[in-house]
Amino acid sequence: GAVVSQHPSWVICKSGTSVKIECRSLDFQATTMFWYRQFPKQSLMLMATSNEGSKATYEQGVEKDKFLINHASLTLSTLTVTSAHPEDSSFYICSASEASGIESNEQFFGPGTRLTVL
Amino acid sequence: QKEVEQDPGPLSVPEGAIVSLNCTYSNSAFQYFMWYRQYSRKGPELLMYTYSSGNKEDGRFTAQVDKSSKYISLFIRDSQPSDSATYLCAMSAGQAGTALIFGKGTTLSVSS
Repeated sequence: GAVVSQHPSWVICKSGTSVKIECRSLDFQATTMFWYRQFPKQSLMLMATSNEGSKATYEQGVEKDKFLINHASLTLSTLTVTSAHPEDSSFYICSASEASGIESNEQFFGPGTRLTVL
Repeated sequence: QKEVEQDPGPLSVPEGAIVSLNCTYSNSAFQYFMWYRQYSRKGPELLMYTYSSGNKEDGRFTAQVDKSSKYISLFIRDSQPSDSATYLCAMSAGQAGTALIFGKGTTLSVSS
């Protein structure tokens, strides 16, 4: 299957700082990338959907000014957590989808980034 | 009612057992159904992908979709300790580029 990478795999930062997480599709072009957040023992919660070259679509309750998403190329999307606070500590996972064929709705997930805000 | 319901477990079985994992859903527009396996502190890994109703088999895994009952299942035969993980069902109504709706995940433990 297709490979999606995330960087960094874990990060610890001080409260009030900003953190950037990268999501890359390594062997395919991702027209759409998704960002999820997962708290311990919880399911994945969709934060936003981003299409290359256009503004991201945020889910209800997700602050777009706090979670900045950029999808500048077909292989790279970034999530920046601005002015991070301890409640932003979570596991952030991206996924990528390649638009090809009527049955192609497979999403390939990155390994996740564990963010801890002190 | 949530769009996708999944019993979080935990589910504990002995090695070699047949495991049945299930999800129910309320949105009749869902057409794409997936099962993901997630190990602790890792991203989800796609196990099975099914479009519309029917069965799909891949090795020890069988996925079933019953759209009339809005019910999907994942069966694991001859379960192994390495199958111990959280299994997430996911589904969507649209084609590529459509967000997935996930179940809460069922935690499975297979003891040797």
